[in-house]
Amino acid sequence: EPEVTQTPSHQVTQMGQEVILRCVPISNHLYFYWYRQILGQKVEFLVSFYNNEISEKSEIFDDQFSVERPDGSNFTLKIRSTKLEDSAMYFCASRLGQALGGYTFGSGTRLTVV
Amino acid sequence: DAKTTQPNSMESNEEEPVHLPCNHSTISGTDYIHWYRQLPSQGPEYVIHGLTSNVNNRMASLAIAEDRKSSTLILHRATLRDAAVYYCILTTSGSRLTFGEGTQLTVNP
Repeated sequence: EPEVTQTPSHQVTQMGQEVILRCVPISNHLYFYWYRQILGQKVEFLVSFYNNEISEKSEIFDDQFSVERPDGSNFTLKIRSTKLEDSAMYFCASRLGQALGGYTFGSGTRLTVV
Repeated sequence: DAKTTQPNSMESNEEEPVHLPCNHSTISGTDYIHWYRQLPSQGPEYVIHGLTSNVNNRMASLAIAEDRKSSTLILHRATLRDAAVYYCILTTSGSRLTFGEGTQLTVNP
């Protein structure tokens, strides 16, 4: 079964450093997303991406965050200057199209900011 | 986003059917009903979704009330691996998923 692949599985970074989380969505999917889950809390939406541009973003997704699809396969989330409160599991998801199946999530990257 | 209401927790015995309810009285005509589950230390996993008619797939069945104000996820024979948090989410096509607290399903051997 096709998978969404995320790397690395765990990233430790110092506060103030830039971090890039990488995702390879399912190859024929058109919609891409980032979500995060702080330990013990709900899964929260960050951003959706379609047709090479952001289609929706949450209030969490401020100027410190950016997304990119640099080639036909990767989808990245960059946090410019990490804060302690950015520590969370970050999940990438992709979807084939509107009303076509569900969202497929990756297994996540655990980001720890120290 | 239209709101859903689910019980905080449910218990089942292995190999018995499980019916997980969800109320969504403010659902709009364009809202799809999605179900996801999250096993411990894993990402959410798609289970099933529907609009108006009941749906079946290899994982589960989704029964949607005629007025669409409630739905039920049915696991036909629970296994220990089905122990997870189950989320009922309303979403219009292509838009974000808004996760609530979900229902923690415990499966007893």
